[in-house]
Amino acid sequence: NAGVTQTPKFQVLKTGQSMTLQCAQDMNHNSMYWYRQDPGMGLRLIYYSASEGTTDKGEVPNGYNVSRLNKREFSLRLESAAPSQTSVYFCASSFNQETQYFGPGTRLLVL
Amino acid sequence: DAKTTQPPSMDCAEGRAANLPCNHSTISGNEYVYWYRQIHSQGPQYIIHGLKNNETNEMASLIITEDRKSSTLILPHATLRDTAVYYCIVRGRTDSWGKLQFGAGTQVVVTP
Repeated sequence: NAGVTQTPKFQVLKTGQSMTLQCAQDMNHNSMYWYRQDPGMGLRLIYYSASEGTTDKGEVPNGYNVSRLNKREFSLRLESAAPSQTSVYFCASSFNQETQYFGPGTRLLVL
Repeated sequence: DAKTTQPPSMDCAEGRAANLPCNHSTISGNEYVYWYRQIHSQGPQYIIHGLKNNETNEMASLIITEDRKSSTLILPHATLRDTAVYYCIVRGRTDSWGKLQFGAGTQVVVTP
């Protein structure tokens, strides 16, 4: 049981480049989330998916898009990366929006 | 949303119990108290949660006062691997997005 996995672990982008962060969970959870964490700050919710086929904006959705590919996978896309998107990105999952379990994170540097 | 107040830091000797306080004086009747921790460079890890009764699992115990305005997370035998930032979070079971608001937390350092 791997829990929540994220790829890649680390990425460097140039301003304007695009990339997709991948997240998968094997706990049969129906809800999945994307957060970002900046130095000295708490986690901020970017997007969430309450169930397969639905996605909704969180606190800081601008500059991001998401896809709930199936029940297991929830991807986060940066269409045109900006230095302000330099952050650590965490994916999480839960059953019926209850206790959330987090992945190890993706560290993104945008130059 | 109810807010929480935690001390910014605390030290604990290895092998001793670590008692982490949290104030949540504006908690409402249907809100749970959750505890997470984040070890450096890792994702947040769920520890325990409770509504009004004390709870215990393999990681920790959660003591909630009768008026529910404060709680204490107890790590019974702290180890060096327990060094982390500990977050006390209050949320309703039906909060939108399964919302989790992480504050500043308490930096716990376990020393040999």
